[in-house]
Amino acid sequence: SQTIHQWPATLVQPVGSPLSLECTVEGTSNPNLYWYRQAAGRGLQLLFYSVGIGQISSEVPQNLSASRPQDRQFILSSKKLLLSDSGFYLCAWSRTGTSGYEQYFGPGTRLTVT
Amino acid sequence: QKEVEQDPGPLSVPEGAIVSLNCTYSNSAFQYFMWYRQYSRKGPELLMYTYSSGNKEDGRFTAQVDKSSKYISLFIRDSQPSDSATYLCAMSRFTNAGKSTFGDGTTLTVKP
Repeated sequence: SQTIHQWPATLVQPVGSPLSLECTVEGTSNPNLYWYRQAAGRGLQLLFYSVGIGQISSEVPQNLSASRPQDRQFILSSKKLLLSDSGFYLCAWSRTGTSGYEQYFGPGTRLTVT
Repeated sequence: QKEVEQDPGPLSVPEGAIVSLNCTYSNSAFQYFMWYRQYSRKGPELLMYTYSSGNKEDGRFTAQVDKSSKYISLFIRDSQPSDSATYLCAMSRFTNAGKSTFGDGTTLTVKP
């Protein structure tokens, strides 16, 4: 069976500090990978998605970046955090091609920028 | 106007009630429809998915899609306090990227 991991679970960072959130998927190969942000009481905002190693598409211009150094590893980064970067960050994966479009989410990272 | 509209609620029902959660969409290119359940401070959990008009049943849950009206529903029978959560609808086009467009979610509380 497939499993998706995210860490850390919670993070408190000062404004201007760097950020690195990691997501890994087990039990599948060549998945599509996604980073979302969810503000309190709000819907999901797609930040980045990737269809393969080194292939990153950005949905929202911001001070965040993403990388996919390995097939099942997805990293969200920032060089300098802003207060507005606070939120609940979710990683998700889906199968490629037309075999299914449903996404499976990780447990999330709650980021507070102070 | 958003591509996917979902009534945010909150919706409060007594235990045992039938719950109806709904989403409307504007883009006829959406062909794949999903419902997720999200408990507080957790990641969304896939409940059901379908790509055809009509009904799909799984236990106490029934997903209904009406493509002609661009309207989807999730029905929960015999609702339980453990069903208290936020329910998100999501839709996809048939593309390789597999990106989904999500509704903002409906918050449901089932009171014992």
